Amino acid sequence: DAGVIQSPRHEVTEMGQEVTLRCKPISGHDYLFWYRQTMMRGLELLIYFNNNVPIDDSGMPEDRFSAKMPNASFSTLKIQPSEPRDSAVYFCASSPGWGNEKLFFGSGTQLSVL
Amino acid sequence: SQQGEEDPQALSIQEGENATMNCSYKTSINNLQWYRQNSGRGLVHLILIRSNEREKHSGRLRVTLDTSKKSSSLLITASRAADTASYFCATDSLMYSGGGADGLTFGKGTHLIIQP
Repeated sequence: DAGVIQSPRHEVTEMGQEVTLRCKPISGHDYLFWYRQTMMRGLELLIYFNNNVPIDDSGMPEDRFSAKMPNASFSTLKIQPSEPRDSAVYFCASSPGWGNEKLFFGSGTQLSVL
Repeated sequence: SQQGEEDPQALSIQEGENATMNCSYKTSINNLQWYRQNSGRGLVHLILIRSNEREKHSGRLRVTLDTSKKSSSLLITASRAADTASYFCATDSLMYSGGGADGLTFGKGTHLIIQP
């Protein structure tokens, strides 16, 4: 299994631009999570999906952030418009489902907003 | 919000020594997990201990859980340079969890450096 695949690995953009981060979870996993990691705040849960349905988006910082999961093998996290304070590492993680609480993380997307 | 807090924030030891990291949390849990993060990489699951367990081993890793003190420790024995990484505890809240990984909250981690 290739594991959780995220793209791009690095993204540098200018303030005001739209940013789209992509994630392919492990096949057969029912849960998909988006996290953000910064030195100041650590690892924060932004949103998670169960069977492609968004369950909890209370961690999404502002309306500028949106996430979709159109099918079981693909999810996107979009920031529009981006701001310098959005600079962080964004991780996607997937988990098998009920009764299995382990998370499998992708390698992350390092986002820099100038 | 973060439930688990690791201690110390940073730890530097000589190769071959044992490394101990601690995690404290606030509310009752279903389980507690430890993850490792190498520089520039995603987190990797190391070990899970359930609330009814007191100790668990996996290779050179030993995890203890004291639910009365709401704390856990991760011991890495005979450390190696390759163990240099950040280590995170993640707690699965009894009140929040739907039975999967949806209730996990992470601490800020302990940065472990193994000096060769």
